[in-house]
Amino acid sequence: QVQLVQSGAEVKKPGASVKVSCKASGFTFTTYVFHWVRQAPGQRLECMGWINAGTGITKYSPEFQGRVSITRDTSASTIYMELSGLRSEDTAVYYCARDVFSSSYNWFDSWGQGTLVTVSS
Amino acid sequence: AIQMTQSPSSLSASVGDRVTITCRASQGIRNDLGWYQQKPGKAPRLLIYATSTLQSGVPLRFSGSGSGTDFTLTISSLQPEDFATYYCLQDYSYPYTFGQGTKLEI
Repeated sequence: QVQLVQSGAEVKKPGASVKVSCKASGFTFTTYVFHWVRQAPGQRLECMGWINAGTGITKYSPEFQGRVSITRDTSASTIYMELSGLRSEDTAVYYCARDVFSSSYNWFDSWGQGTLVTVSS
Repeated sequence: AIQMTQSPSSLSASVGDRVTITCRASQGIRNDLGWYQQKPGKAPRLLIYATSTLQSGVPLRFSGSGSGTDFTLTISSLQPEDFATYYCLQDYSYPYTFGQGTKLEI
């Protein structure tokens, strides 16, 4: 079955970087686009960026441009999200999600379990 | 970025009630809208995509409608497992943006 399994919780100091992984299984990894979405406490969900797992092409939200990097390892069917220059406002749960594209529509049909990143001095 | 405004922010209802949640986009988004359900401590779950297409496995009491800038999610007869937070998501233009959520409470 389709599964996205993320790495565990992280605690980081302000100014540091964090790298979260998302391992895919149960489907052909390279035929999909994957997104990273975050949710700060009490806040709405926010899209951070996406990667085409086949081509490696990425696109980032202007909100995170310059601080976020999304990569993939096709041999491990894993995508990564690295966020740098962490500040307290980056404390959030980070999710990966699989993007399905069909008939000119797309949707997020599968999600990882979420990774809590806490930024605290 | 396109702004998505949901209403109401919270809603109290009872089992068996019919409820409607609305989502308004700051500009036209065709039918590029989905609805997601989230329970505490869990990842969002896709309910509806392309405004009105039910995701496989989602009960028929969920339905969606709308076009352009105004969209609705309707639950025809609330069940105990439906009490959760619901989000709309526009996937017309990146960055895709979510509504602020509607918390459905007993």
